[in-house]
Amino acid sequence: DGGITQSPKYLFRKEGQNVTLSCEQNLNHDAMYWYRQDPGQGLRLIYYSQIVNDFQKGDIAEGYSVSREKKESFPLTVTSAQKNPTAFYLCASSIRTGGDSQPQHFGDGTRLSIL
Amino acid sequence: EDQVTQSPEALRLQEGESSSLNCSYTVSGLRGLFWYRQDPGKGPEFLFTLYSAGEEKEKERLKATLTKKESFLHITAPKPEDSATYLCAVLTSGNTGKLIFGQGTTLQVKP
Repeated sequence: DGGITQSPKYLFRKEGQNVTLSCEQNLNHDAMYWYRQDPGQGLRLIYYSQIVNDFQKGDIAEGYSVSREKKESFPLTVTSAQKNPTAFYLCASSIRTGGDSQPQHFGDGTRLSIL
Repeated sequence: EDQVTQSPEALRLQEGESSSLNCSYTVSGLRGLFWYRQDPGKGPEFLFTLYSAGEEKEKERLKATLTKKESFLHITAPKPEDSATYLCAVLTSGNTGKLIFGQGTTLQVKP
């Protein structure tokens, strides 16, 4: 079955540590996204990528970094510069951005906590 | 500023008691409005896309409608398995596919 796989499901970060969240999709989608979800708030966009080797900052990119070396993969690194990293992180993909308004499809998330 | 607001924040229904969830939006231009269902600890599951005022979509006990300022998700004769958080998201014109999400409505249906 096609879908989006996020790993790990739970992740713990120590002070000063960088951690990387994995996102893989086999839907052959061009566009991929990372969101952060906090209780009582809407999903907020961290980074997005429309094609391989290209990505753009979203609304809350500070303290995060991404790469897009392969169409299927869009890992997110939460750096030590992100002072409040505790949240539920969601990866999504869509056929392409712009134009025809295709829906985004989501993985099942990674919950990140601080030790 | 583009904004999406969902109400109520939480809704408790008895099984079989129909109701509606609201998503109001203030955006510069609407290219699409999306409804998602999210279960605890899971990612959002896509339900519907609406593109223009007057459009309606149905799936089982759910029916989504759209006007120029808001969308409703009507739930007819809900069952306990309909309990979830329902998210609304708007794709505005002029951007490259970024969605603006509401904060969600958490629905609990009691047997």
